[in-house]
Amino acid sequence: AQSVAQPEDQVNVAEGNPLTVKCTYSVSGNPYLFWYVQYPNRGLQFLLKYITGDNLVKGSYGFEAEFNKSQTSFHLKKPSALVSDSALYFCAVRDIAGIYNFNKFYFGSGTKLNVKP
Amino acid sequence: ETGVTQTPRHLVMGMTNKKSLKCEQHLGHNAMYWYKQSAKKPLELMFVYNFKEQTENNSVPSRFSPECPNSSHLFLHLHTLQPEDSALYLCASSQDTASASYEQYFGPGTRLTVT
Repeated sequence: AQSVAQPEDQVNVAEGNPLTVKCTYSVSGNPYLFWYVQYPNRGLQFLLKYITGDNLVKGSYGFEAEFNKSQTSFHLKKPSALVSDSALYFCAVRDIAGIYNFNKFYFGSGTKLNVKP
Repeated sequence: ETGVTQTPRHLVMGMTNKKSLKCEQHLGHNAMYWYKQSAKKPLELMFVYNFKEQTENNSVPSRFSPECPNSSHLFLHLHTLQPEDSALYLCASSQDTASASYEQYFGPGTRLTVT
């Protein structure tokens, strides 16, 4: 079964410092991994995805994520945090239910990022 | 957020009421999803429709009844809900379900409170 884990409920970082939001995954085949962000009173917004290829994936708003197969991790990173990055971040893995049936995303429980001025 | 819209944004209903949530996507997608988001819990997938056909029912109680009249619209009909059904209900869409690389686009959600 596919699953993702976000081990930190909350991450606190000072503005201008680098940030990391952690995600580990468990899949039975090749992983299809995604990061989403949720601002207050809003739906989830897609940030970036890893399907294949380069282990470092670049996404929206200066975020990037590093796929590490040996550690089964897909941590979200940003070199310099902004106060406006404060939000809830979700890691997700796509379930390969069948050859042409990719119905399900499995989401982590979310990590709240607090960026302080 | 004009890509995926949801109405109403907030809903308070009694346990004996019948209400419906509406979702509309303006992205030309063919797959639509309902999720339940409760505090400090992972998003729970409820239903999936692909080209108007239901392809996933994730063991959802029958008091939740989905309807997908076309690829752009998705409804969730609610009947005889319980207080534990109070949550944020999110609608999402994607190109379709034939490729694992397609990301989902979410609406802002309907905050449901069952009294």
